[in-house]
Amino acid sequence: AQKITQTQPGMFVQEKEAVTLDCTYDTSDPSYGLFWYKQPSSGEMIFLIYQGSYDQQNATEGRYSLNFQKARKSANLVISASQLGDSAMYFCAMRGRNAGGTSYGKLTFGQGTILTVHP
Amino acid sequence: GAVVSQHPSWVICKSGTSVKIECRSLDFQATTMFWYRQFPKQSLMLMATSNEGSKATYEQGVEKDKFLINHASLTLSTLTVTSAHPEDSSFYICSARDRGHGDEQYFGPGTRLTVT
Repeated sequence: AQKITQTQPGMFVQEKEAVTLDCTYDTSDPSYGLFWYKQPSSGEMIFLIYQGSYDQQNATEGRYSLNFQKARKSANLVISASQLGDSAMYFCAMRGRNAGGTSYGKLTFGQGTILTVHP
Repeated sequence: GAVVSQHPSWVICKSGTSVKIECRSLDFQATTMFWYRQFPKQSLMLMATSNEGSKATYEQGVEKDKFLINHASLTLSTLTVTSAHPEDSSFYICSARDRGHGDEQYFGPGTRLTVT
């Protein structure tokens, strides 16, 4: 079984500052992938960043970086230089793989964090 | 990038009627599609995994007779909410798995269902 926990229901940040959204996970799968998605008020799910459990380096995508600490089972999202358009709900998600490396396919989501960027 | 569409984007129906939601992969073949349900300000909850040419796999607690899933082709899966009730009002999102492109999963824009 997999579990994703996001303990911050809401976060506030000033425009142009950095913000960290927390995510911890639990799984018994031998390998797995961790994802972050952004969901604006329109409802669409926007993929932000991916981290594989055996990736040596933390993932980065533009202003997004993932602070992956495997021993602590955490995969926090860092957004640098926040913009007003970053205001949205953010979800951390996991997808496991079996011992043969085949993905199970389905994603398990955390509860989400609502980020509000102030001007 | 790969595109997944959903139709309709929103629907209002009367209690007791059935509603069909379509999920299409527009530029890739999706042998597997997933259906999620989301209540306001809550997480996405997986309802079922839809496999082309076979029966869907439902998550625990999801009534398969109420939420009928048909994945008749490699680009189309449908979710039918039968005998809808107000408590079925929710945001329904599908995603499609592209095994030919790094096993990526792409989300549709969602369908907002309101049952009156």
